[in-house]
Amino acid sequence: EVQLMESGGVLVQPGGSLRLSCAASGFSFSTYWMNWVRQTPGKGLVWVSIINPDGTKIGYADSVKGRFTISRDNAMNTVYLQMNSLRVDDTGVYYCARDIAGSPENWGQGTLVTVSS
Amino acid sequence: DVVMTQSPLSLPVTLGQPASISCRSSQSLVYSDGNTYLNWFQQRPGQSPRRLIYRVSNRDSGVPDRFSGSGSGTDFTLKISRVEAEDIGVYYCMQGSHWPYTFGQGTKLEIK
Repeated sequence: EVQLMESGGVLVQPGGSLRLSCAASGFSFSTYWMNWVRQTPGKGLVWVSIINPDGTKIGYADSVKGRFTISRDNAMNTVYLQMNSLRVDDTGVYYCARDIAGSPENWGQGTLVTVSS
Repeated sequence: DVVMTQSPLSLPVTLGQPASISCRSSQSLVYSDGNTYLNWFQQRPGQSPRRLIYRVSNRDSGVPDRFSGSGSGTDFTLKISRVEAEDIGVYYCMQGSHWPYTFGQGTKLEIK
């Protein structure tokens, strides 16, 4: 069974930094693209970032480019999201999701990031 | 960025009746490989999103056949042939043909 478990979400002040992790199991992690998607409270879904299997192709939403960095450790079956210069509007639940056929198929339960003073 | 526009944003439906959600993109979603990466997701209250349909019309494993997707180019539709109580939630279209991926605003399906 495919499982994705996000962690690392906490309350952080504006301008602060945070690293999210997503531990994967139940599939051959090193062969799949992985995504991060954010959901703001009571609102919709916003795609944040994607990384290919060997980490050589990476994409970001304009709103996080230059502030967030996606990476992966295939030996640990884990994908990360380093978040710097956090803003209030970065608040939300962050999901990691396995990409299949060009979109996120399997999603984790999410981890809540709150940016507030 | 590609803008995805869904309508309606709220959809009250009687149980057993059909439902339809439209999704339009600001540019063609036909990718250079010939595929169209238009997807539909369902998010039930309190749950993570679940993909229902990928590449316009392909149902994911375990998705009931009352869900169907259609369309081409910039115009797409999700149809539910007979709405059941478990279908309540928010439905999103998402394009994966152009980076950054973008989602529609979501359509809230509720029972009348």
